[in-house]
Amino acid sequence: QKEVEQNSGPLSVPEGAIASLNCTYSDRVSQSFFWYRQYSGKSPELIMSIYSNGDKEDGRFTAQLNKASQYVSLLIRDSQPSDSATYLCAGEGYSGGGADGLTFGKGTHLIIQP
Amino acid sequence: KAGVTQTPRYLIKTRGQQVTLSCSPISGHRSVSWYQQTPGQGLQFLFEYFSETQRNKGNFPGRFSGRQFSNSRSEMNVSTLELGDSALYLCASSRQGWQQNSPLHFGNGTRLTVT
Repeated sequence: QKEVEQNSGPLSVPEGAIASLNCTYSDRVSQSFFWYRQYSGKSPELIMSIYSNGDKEDGRFTAQLNKASQYVSLLIRDSQPSDSATYLCAGEGYSGGGADGLTFGKGTHLIIQP
Repeated sequence: KAGVTQTPRYLIKTRGQQVTLSCSPISGHRSVSWYQQTPGQGLQFLFEYFSETQRNKGNFPGRFSGRQFSNSRSEMNVSTLELGDSALYLCASSRQGWQQNSPLHFGNGTRLTVT
């Protein structure tokens, strides 16, 4: 299993609806996770970080972490066309030799349809 | 507050050459990480520097190297360029490094094309 896996999409959601993005991770990825948004041709920007089990809300965004099932999700409420982007899930990675840096999934391409 | 600055934005090199990329972190940030982004592999970790010392290294060949200066600015060098090195190289800074739950802030990247 890859360390951080995401469905590449595209995920198409109508404007105003809830967009749900999911990410699963392996044992080699630790318990700290981050969601980044990347617009085409731009660099990733941090949206949310989550370190403990449960939900964390910030405006229209809610991150959810379930350590037992090894998944992380990002919910975007009242989706706007400006939310159309690639969403990257990242977690801290560790190997036998030590830390491996932030391990990123390949991203889910989200399209919000007006 | 100024963000992470990477120079140059675009670079075209030929196989066998070497290249040096530069990154200036956000003021006060002591950790600088480098990532390679390609359509096929996504974002892959190259290395992280903290207080002029390489603290972590990803699974890349020795042709990829870096360093950090006392002002936290960092450079990345790739020697003997190969076609497969064509990618977007992203630098990210944080206060303490990702291990300390300190989020990464990315620069705009350097787009390297090897011909």
